[in-house]
Amino acid sequence: KAGVTQTPRYLIKTRGQQVTLSCSPISGHRSVSWYQQTPGQGLQFLFEYFSETQRNKGNFPGRFSGRQFSNSRSEMNVSTLELGDSALYLCASSLKGTVFLRTTNEKLFFGSGTQLSVL
Amino acid sequence: KQEVTQIPAALSVPEGENLVLNCSFTDSAIYNLQWFRQDPGKGLTSLLLIQSSQREQTSGRLNASLDKSSGRSTLYIAASQPGDSATYLCAVITGGVGTASKLTFGTGTRLQVTL
Repeated sequence: KAGVTQTPRYLIKTRGQQVTLSCSPISGHRSVSWYQQTPGQGLQFLFEYFSETQRNKGNFPGRFSGRQFSNSRSEMNVSTLELGDSALYLCASSLKGTVFLRTTNEKLFFGSGTQLSVL
Repeated sequence: KQEVTQIPAALSVPEGENLVLNCSFTDSAIYNLQWFRQDPGKGLTSLLLIQSSQREQTSGRLNASLDKSSGRSTLYIAASQPGDSATYLCAVITGGVGTASKLTFGTGTRLQVTL
């Protein structure tokens, strides 16, 4: 069974540009969540999608947006890039969504991430 | 606001040594706690998940304990090996908005096991 696939693996952009990152979850998984990881702030939650609907959103500006398609693949978009957006962006998939993480042994499966550098 | 702290931030031990990683959280109203491993520049791999009603979980050389009332969890690694070198993160799961849960990650412990 293929794991979570994120593309591209590396991206270099300049300030003011926009970028789109892609995440393909494990086959059969319907939930995709996105995280930003930086040395200073650690791992921070961006948003979660389930069946094409955004279920939850973290404390990030509106420049960060996402969507999920009917095949559960998800994209996140960052517009008007800033230097501080340089980070490793990780996506995670789960079968039924993070609400089921509360009471089951369902786990999150992470992709290898997209390393974004903003110059 | 939930805050999760991991101590130490970095640890270097010789091969074969047993070691303990610590995770503390400020709000004890958690559903469960999960330990992850992250290799440099890579994603996270789930190691152990402990439900709030459980005290510990074991997988091979790994043992994780949870004391919800004191807001602490420990990850015990027995007979460490160079392949255990990685960053270890804990994450607590609490109720989120609507039908989502909120995961709050710890700051991580970077482990190096030397020959």
